Amino acid sequence: NAGVTQTPKFQVLKTGQSMTLQCAQDMNHEYMSWYRQDPGMGLRLIHYSVGAGITDQGEVPNGYNVSRSTTEDFPLRLLSAAPSQTSVYFCASTQGPGPAYEQYFGPGTRLTVT
Amino acid sequence: GDSVTQMEGPVTLSEEAFLTINCTYTATGYPSLFWYVQYPGEGLQLLLKATKADDKGSNKGFEATYRKETTSFHLEKGSVQVSDSAVYFCALSATGFQKLVFGTGTRLLVSP
Repeated sequence: NAGVTQTPKFQVLKTGQSMTLQCAQDMNHEYMSWYRQDPGMGLRLIHYSVGAGITDQGEVPNGYNVSRSTTEDFPLRLLSAAPSQTSVYFCASTQGPGPAYEQYFGPGTRLTVT
Repeated sequence: GDSVTQMEGPVTLSEEAFLTINCTYTATGYPSLFWYVQYPGEGLQLLLKATKADDKGSNKGFEATYRKETTSFHLEKGSVQVSDSAVYFCALSATGFQKLVFGTGTRLLVSP
């Protein structure tokens, strides 16, 4: 049981390039989320999904797209990278919506946009 | 909107010292409260939680009590170890567990 996995671990992009951050979980969790972590700001929710085919925006969705074609995978796409998207990105999953269900976080992807 | 305020770090302690990391929150309704820990190079792990007023969450010697009257959820440990060195995040969920609101994190450094 690998839990939540993220690839790549590190990435450097030039302004305007596109890329996809991969996230996968093998726990059959319905709920998945993407957060970004910036110094002095904690983690902020970008997008989330409550099941395959269903996604919604979080606190800071601009510049990011997501889709959820399978229960296991929840990729995050940057269509045209900007320096303001330099951050550490965490994917998380949970079995259910209530506080009884723990959220499991992946190890993160450190992205630098130059 | 909902928000979480944590004390700024780093907090530097010697091994076996008492730890307090303050956390206060603003939320509508009755949020659930959490402490997460992030060890170097790793993702966040749930440390403890409390889902209603006066609940005490505890794990690995850490404790925090949900205080509705002071809107606080301070993290405490009686005797810290070097292995406790990490960043600690206070968080709340008021509109569904999926939507966690995090504080800015407090770095704890414990020296032998």
